Amino acid sequence: GNSVTQMEGPVTLSEEAFLTINCTYTATGYPSLFWYVQYPGEGLQLLLKATKADDKGSNKGFEATYRKETTSFHLEKGSVQVSDSAVYFCALSSPNRDDKIIFGKGTRLHILP
Amino acid sequence: ETGVTQTPRHLVMGMTNKKSLKCEQHLGHNAMYWYKQSAKKPLELMFVYNFKEQTENNSVPSRFSPECPNSSHLFLHLHTLQPEDSALYLCASSQEGQGWGYTFGSGTRLTVV
Repeated sequence: GNSVTQMEGPVTLSEEAFLTINCTYTATGYPSLFWYVQYPGEGLQLLLKATKADDKGSNKGFEATYRKETTSFHLEKGSVQVSDSAVYFCALSSPNRDDKIIFGKGTRLHILP
Repeated sequence: ETGVTQTPRHLVMGMTNKKSLKCEQHLGHNAMYWYKQSAKKPLELMFVYNFKEQTENNSVPSRFSPECPNSSHLFLHLHTLQPEDSALYLCASSQEGQGWGYTFGSGTRLTVV
């Protein structure tokens, strides 16, 4: 079945460091891929998405590229800020499963000033 | 109002109480979801409604009773809960077939005492 695997957290970085959060997936067909972010005390917000191979999603300085050959969708940011501290969820939806979204377990990110 | 609105934001209830969580979406979506988010556990999908019809119930105990009177409103009725039911309850909506992902509310933080 469809599944998403993302790196275990927590991840702790200093401000202005480079961020990578790894995400790989297993799916039949051609899923859409997402990154959601959850700030403390809030629900999940869509951060970025990509709908086909080689697409790059980007938002707020974050980027992720849909790599079909490696079934990956790693999240990157060149220079993180304290305000990026949150939990990040990788997810996929499959058009042949009524767009049902499968979430990863989430990666908690702490940015130190 | 826009987006997905959940009320109340916080709820404390005794194990013998009956309470309800409310979710309202102003996006014209045709599907709505209830998720449970407990500390250090993955997101748990509880219920799915498409066009007001329940299409998924992931073995949720009967002390949780969903209601979807129309495609814009979703309720979760709670009765005789247990302390382990304390969690963040998230509502989400989507437009099936569009592949745009889910829009989440801010959640209700439930504490059962």
